[in-house]
Amino acid sequence: QKEVEQNSGPLSVPEGAIASLNCTYSDRGSQSFFWYRQYSGKSPELIMFIYSNGDKEDGRFTAQLNKASQYVSLLIRDSQPSDSATYLCAVRNTNAGKSTFGDGTTLTVKP
Amino acid sequence: ETGVTQTPRHLVMGMTNKKSLKCEQHLGHNAMYWYKQSAKKPLELMFVYSLEERVENNSVPSRFSPECPNSSHLFLHLHTLQPEDSALYLCASSQGDRGLDSPLHFGNGTRLTVT
Repeated sequence: QKEVEQNSGPLSVPEGAIASLNCTYSDRGSQSFFWYRQYSGKSPELIMFIYSNGDKEDGRFTAQLNKASQYVSLLIRDSQPSDSATYLCAVRNTNAGKSTFGDGTTLTVKP
Repeated sequence: ETGVTQTPRHLVMGMTNKKSLKCEQHLGHNAMYWYKQSAKKPLELMFVYSLEERVENNSVPSRFSPECPNSSHLFLHLHTLQPEDSALYLCASSQGDRGLDSPLHFGNGTRLTVT
């Protein structure tokens, strides 16, 4: 089992729809959770980070964390073609000195 | 110049060469990282420096040697690499109340090809 698993892609949604990206992790000691977006040929850039259970909203993006279920998700509302990219889930356990990325989910938003 | 800058952007080297990758951050951060990104594989953490002290070394082969002379600069010295070391090497930095739990700011990466 991978330490951080993301829903297998590619994921395709029509413009204006909600895109749902999911991530599960195996390390119960994980404390910090991040979503990065990576356009083709570019480096990752931070979209959202979340430390506490519940929802965190920033514009069209909502991160959801459920530590009991070891699950973190990213919702993108009103998806735009410019949202087409690979989304990386990252999990960190500071006590263990461990940072782990998922394989990424490639999202395509079709006009 | 702002952000995290990496040089060179592209590097082609033979297996017997010695080269170095350079990273500089202009964000006042106190932690710096080297990651490796290969095709079809997740980002792999290689090294972490916090306050110029190496705090993580994820079983990286000794042909990769990091150096952090100060909190703004990070190097990755390469020698006798193998073709499977060809990848995108990303530098990142972080800062905040949560220290190493703060989000990462990535450089544009160095695309390394070992022939």
